[in-house]
Amino acid sequence: DAKTTQPPSMDCAEGRAANLPCNHSTISGNEYVYWYRQIHSQGPQYIIHGLKNNETNEMASLIITEDRKSSTLILPHATLRDTAVYYCIALNAGNNRKLIWGLGTSLAVNP
Amino acid sequence: GAVVSQHPSRVICKSGTSVKIECRSLDFQATTMFWYRQFPKQSLMLMATSNEGSKATYEQGVEKDKFLINHASLTLSTLTVTSAHPEDSSFYICSARLAGQETQYFGPGTRLLVL
Repeated sequence: DAKTTQPPSMDCAEGRAANLPCNHSTISGNEYVYWYRQIHSQGPQYIIHGLKNNETNEMASLIITEDRKSSTLILPHATLRDTAVYYCIALNAGNNRKLIWGLGTSLAVNP
Repeated sequence: GAVVSQHPSRVICKSGTSVKIECRSLDFQATTMFWYRQFPKQSLMLMATSNEGSKATYEQGVEKDKFLINHASLTLSTLTVTSAHPEDSSFYICSARLAGQETQYFGPGTRLLVL
């Protein structure tokens, strides 16, 4: 499974867009890019995932570079409730379909 | 949709006793469920993968006789921590995956404190 690299922490002003980067330079063709977040003392929450194309849902947008070596999660209008640890994970869609968790990015949304 | 619940949300027990944690998929059938453990300021660590009707597959270093997993139905998996010790105190989280899909949906977690 491809290893992902994320900055340990980021700050964002409330109401502004939060852009969270992730590097996955060794990602293979059948690995999806998944994003989860974990608010303090809660279970992880699924945000979005993609393979090649950019994706958007009610929570966020996922921008994947053409070479698939990096991606950016965009929270368009961050709120205080978006303060959490955000995890970018490359998931192998084959037999070994495990989520391997790194340390993620701790996002602090400030008023 | 895709809601996963866990019970209890927190439990305190004495050393040497056993504790059972339930994980339920409320609005979907989950052929596969996962159990994770998370220590303070650390990331999630996969303990085992559980497929309905078959034995769980444990990750390296996880004692199968200590952490008993049962996945008897498509909506329920249980984790029993047997002969709990203080070092088993942790945040236990389950997830469930719909058949044919890749996305895992997580429960709210169970905080276990062994005295």
